[in-house]
Amino acid sequence: GENVEQHPSTLSVQEGDSAVIKCTYSDSASNYFPWYKQELGKRPQLIIDIRSNVGEKKDQRIAVTLNKTAKHFSLHITETQPEDSAVYFCAASQGNQGGKLIFGQGTELSVKP
Amino acid sequence: GAVVSQHPSRVICKSGTSVKIECRSLDFQATTMFWYRQFPKQSLMLMATSNEGSKATYEQGVEKDKFLINHASLTLSTLTVTSAHPEDSSFYICSADSVAGGTDTQYFGPGTRLTVL
Repeated sequence: GENVEQHPSTLSVQEGDSAVIKCTYSDSASNYFPWYKQELGKRPQLIIDIRSNVGEKKDQRIAVTLNKTAKHFSLHITETQPEDSAVYFCAASQGNQGGKLIFGQGTELSVKP
Repeated sequence: GAVVSQHPSRVICKSGTSVKIECRSLDFQATTMFWYRQFPKQSLMLMATSNEGSKATYEQGVEKDKFLINHASLTLSTLTVTSAHPEDSSFYICSADSVAGGTDTQYFGPGTRLTVL
């Protein structure tokens, strides 16, 4: 089955700096890769996703890149703000409707003012 | 749109009792719902995939007789933790996949914090 590895487990940056979180996946059939932000005790919130037919997607300060050959994808947050502090999870699925998500281990991002 | 609710949000029970958690899609129909368990400072671990009108598919290592899942309608799935023990204490989160729109997006419920004494 699919296995998703996520690094780093913790990341501390200064406000205004960029943050990068990386994930690798094992199943070449996976074709949908969402990123979730989870605040303590809250539900995961989808912040951006990418499908295997594109290599990059951007939404304001957030971008995701995908390298299908290497089976890895990354989340990039620019101009970080203290409210970006949270746990971020990557996930992978085979993308057909009802496809289950396999999550990475999570990255605790801390943005220091 | 795409709101998923869970009830209860928090439950404390004695060891040996059973607890039922409801997951509802409020403004869309969900052919598929997923149940996850999340221990403190850990990732979401998929427990089972629930399809309306059929038996749930459990992930390896998840006891189907202990975690009973029922998906009786396109808007409701329930998870019953039977004979709960302290090690079952966790944050249980459901998600739903929308029927319409043909997207892969899963919408998560707010979670249920289970504490077994």
